[in-house]
Amino acid sequence: DIQMTQSPSTLSAYVGDRVTITCRASQTFSSWLAWYQQKGGEAPKLLIYKASILETGVPSRFSGSGSGTDFTLTISSLQPDDVATYYCQQYDTYSWTFGQGTRVEIK
Amino acid sequence: EVQLVESGGGLVQPGGSLRLSCEASGFTFSYYRMNWVRQAPGKGLEWVANIKQDGNERYYVDSVKGRFSISRDNAKNLLFLQMNSLRDEDTGIYYCVLRGVSKPTWGQGTLVTVS
Repeated sequence: DIQMTQSPSTLSAYVGDRVTITCRASQTFSSWLAWYQQKGGEAPKLLIYKASILETGVPSRFSGSGSGTDFTLTISSLQPDDVATYYCQQYDTYSWTFGQGTRVEIK
Repeated sequence: EVQLVESGGGLVQPGGSLRLSCEASGFTFSYYRMNWVRQAPGKGLEWVANIKQDGNERYYVDSVKGRFSISRDNAKNLLFLQMNSLRDEDTGIYYCVLRGVSKPTWGQGTLVTVS
């Protein structure tokens, strides 16, 4: 199975800051990589798919990049509404795997 | 619009059984692999099972092998998860997830409590 290592586990930043979350895979795969935002009690919300494609309706301050084993989610200007937990997911193989999650807070 | 609606969750005693259903609409169900993903309280996301379009290939996470069975009824656009020999650690929200051509699409989930 492909293992996904996500970092950091917690991130605290000011409103307006640029923040970056990384996900490293244990082996190369073909960019079927998604990023999700999850707020308390809700289902995960798709932000980015195929590593860099912004889901319809998601604010443009979110962006994804990367290939091979290293992937990044960037929030260009952190907003109060972005307080949530973020997960990466590979969906290249039949047995999907997720990162451990990154909790994003406002300073 | 793609819609996935899970049902069948509830409270069950350890060792008991439960059958989850997922009703799909807004796409040609028989064309796509389907998945179940779960989330224990306060924990991360864990993929549980995957089924091929015709139902002839199924994959499971090691912790549920021999206890859970994924199946589908393409004529009725339904996905199922039969859960037997349930354990405390199976408690969580279970999501039905479509593996679309380019992206996953999730249902809202159904809560399973083993206690």
